[in-house]
Amino acid sequence: QQQVKQSPQSLIVQKGGISIINCAYENTAFDYFPWYQQFPGKGPALLIAIRPDVSEKKEGRFTISFNKSAKQFSLHIMDSQPGDSATYFCAACNNNDMRFGAGTRLTVKP
Amino acid sequence: ETGVTQSPTHLIKTRGQQVTLRCSSQSGHNTVSWYQQALGQGPQFIFQYYREEENGRGNFPPRFSGLQFPNYSSELNVNALELDDSALYLCASSLLSGDRSGELFFGEGSRLTVL
Repeated sequence: QQQVKQSPQSLIVQKGGISIINCAYENTAFDYFPWYQQFPGKGPALLIAIRPDVSEKKEGRFTISFNKSAKQFSLHIMDSQPGDSATYFCAACNNNDMRFGAGTRLTVKP
Repeated sequence: ETGVTQSPTHLIKTRGQQVTLRCSSQSGHNTVSWYQQALGQGPQFIFQYYREEENGRGNFPPRFSGLQFPNYSSELNVNALELDDSALYLCASSLLSGDRSGELFFGEGSRLTVL
């Protein structure tokens, strides 16, 4: 039932570098695209989200780029920090039915 | 404003047993969703409850059932447990408003181990 495909599975970035995670979806009924951050032993927490009427959203060091025609969206983490090391999930949502990608384990090396 | 709370945090069951997991929604939220997260995987949608009725269901068998109470708290019940049911079960609450999706607020989950 995977409707959202996420890549890469894991990512290692040096401190200060840019982390980029990509997702693609299939169902054009999705109308909300959030990114969640999850630390070990914790539930996912919302990081940033976008709706399909805009192509980009920036909050601090985090940016979502959204390409509606390609049905793709990505998360960019600028100036990555060791504290950003976590698992990141993209998701696509329709009527509060949220489907998640498989996750990307990000490691930021000091 | 209280967040989403789940209980128990950890539990161990044997194959064939039944389990009930509980969730208290964030204040003001009217919708509860349950997700199963296997180790190293993304959360998989089990079902959603809105106004005490099931409002959507993922690809899970009928032995996965739920309830939502008038105070918007919820239970997830799993009958005839199988080894593959071992996972982190996440509850998320949200405010369903019209036809626009909104933010899900997750609890920290209940980790179920089936032996």
